[in-house]
Amino acid sequence: AQTVTQSQPEMSVQEAETVTLSCTYDTSESNYYLFWYKQPPSRQMILVIRQEAYKQQNATENRFSVNFQKAAKSFSLKISDSQLGDTAMYFCAFIYQGGSEKLVFGKGTKLTVNP
Amino acid sequence: DVKVTQSSRYLVKRTGEKVFLECVQDMDHENMFWYRQDPGLGLRLIYFSYDVKMKEKGDIPEGYSVSREKKERFSLILESASTNQTSMYLCASSRPYQPQHFGDGTRLSIL
Repeated sequence: AQTVTQSQPEMSVQEAETVTLSCTYDTSESNYYLFWYKQPPSRQMILVIRQEAYKQQNATENRFSVNFQKAAKSFSLKISDSQLGDTAMYFCAFIYQGGSEKLVFGKGTKLTVNP
Repeated sequence: DVKVTQSSRYLVKRTGEKVFLECVQDMDHENMFWYRQDPGLGLRLIYFSYDVKMKEKGDIPEGYSVSREKKERFSLILESASTNQTSMYLCASSRPYQPQHFGDGTRLSIL
């Protein structure tokens, strides 16, 4: 069975600083995708960044980047220059190619950016 | 932009009622999903559908059913609502193995 673990239920960071959210996963598959989703308070869940397992290069989207360590099954999210609008729940998720279309989610990390 | 629309943002129903939650997507996506989201439990998959009239059980299907008569519409049905079904319900759609796009969610309260 595939599992995703987010070990930090809550985190906080000062505006303009950098924060890293942790995610580990467990799978025996070799072809899979990893995602970080963001859910602001009372707002829609949106995709932040995705990583294909076959790509060694870490994905980057503006201030968001990942540190993908395939051997360690680790997929952390780094947010640089944190902004107040980054305050949200962040979910790490996994799907493997060839299996069902089920996304496996972690339980989430609540990030608060303080002014 | 992909648009996933859930019919209600907030809904209050009574125990024993039959409840319908509707979801419509406008991007011709093959896959559609229903999740419930509870504090400390994250998102849990109720049902999903690969195609019209196709459905598969997720992790917590008990007490729920679904209907997909048209590609763009995926309905979640609570046959006889109970208080433990009070939750936030999220609908999502996607192309195969592509990121899922979510609706705004329906906060359902069963009294």
